Amino acid sequence: GAVVSQHPSRVICKSGTSVKIECRSLDFQATTMFWYRQFPKQSLMLMATSNEGSKATYEQGVEKDKFLINHASLTLSTLTVTSAHPEDSSFYICSASPGLAGGSSYEQYFGPGTRLTVT
Amino acid sequence: AQKVTQAQTEISVVEKEDVTLDCVYETRDTTYYLFWYKQPPSGELVFLIRRNSFDEQNEISGRYSWNFQKSTSSFNFTITASQVVDSAVYFCALTPSGYSTLTFGKGTMLLVSP
Repeated sequence: GAVVSQHPSRVICKSGTSVKIECRSLDFQATTMFWYRQFPKQSLMLMATSNEGSKATYEQGVEKDKFLINHASLTLSTLTVTSAHPEDSSFYICSASPGLAGGSSYEQYFGPGTRLTVT
Repeated sequence: AQKVTQAQTEISVVEKEDVTLDCVYETRDTTYYLFWYKQPPSGELVFLIRRNSFDEQNEISGRYSWNFQKSTSSFNFTITASQVVDSAVYFCALTPSGYSTLTFGKGTMLLVSP
């Protein structure tokens, strides 16, 4: 149980275009989803936290207009990188938490990640 | 504020050696959870263990063992008889009870050579 998927696993896009990454909880309802960014040989940096039906809470320094997060249902959150530039190239990882309804608020289940390359 | 320090950036060992990965944390919360994750070259984070701050018992799972010491705010991870497949980046993480936000350490890259 507790499987989280991400799509696509890899994406290459041209500078100036937008790309959408999907994060799905396959066998549980995720009241909270998290988006992380990881640069090569670095740790995971939390970008934003989203609760179903609410606006996402962005970490300091993360541009909310550039990284659009939508958490429209209990099983799906999307991250859209708008007007992507080469510096946005990174590994993006989502995680999902069932929250208190799932028995424990601290569990996070991670997706396999999406490698974005902007040319 | 939470902080997790993994002072070892990279460790290289030869197969069958034992290796310990250090993790030191800082938190003002009296209740919290500590985690270890493995990230192989594929990138996917693999959950290894969760430890509640009230439970200081050491845990062993196969070749893996964890030593949690509140007195020194450490949660060290030992791999016994390491194998090439253990090569990965290992992250220690912390979350206060009642929240899900994880604070990650910078990770330790473990290279196990044959």
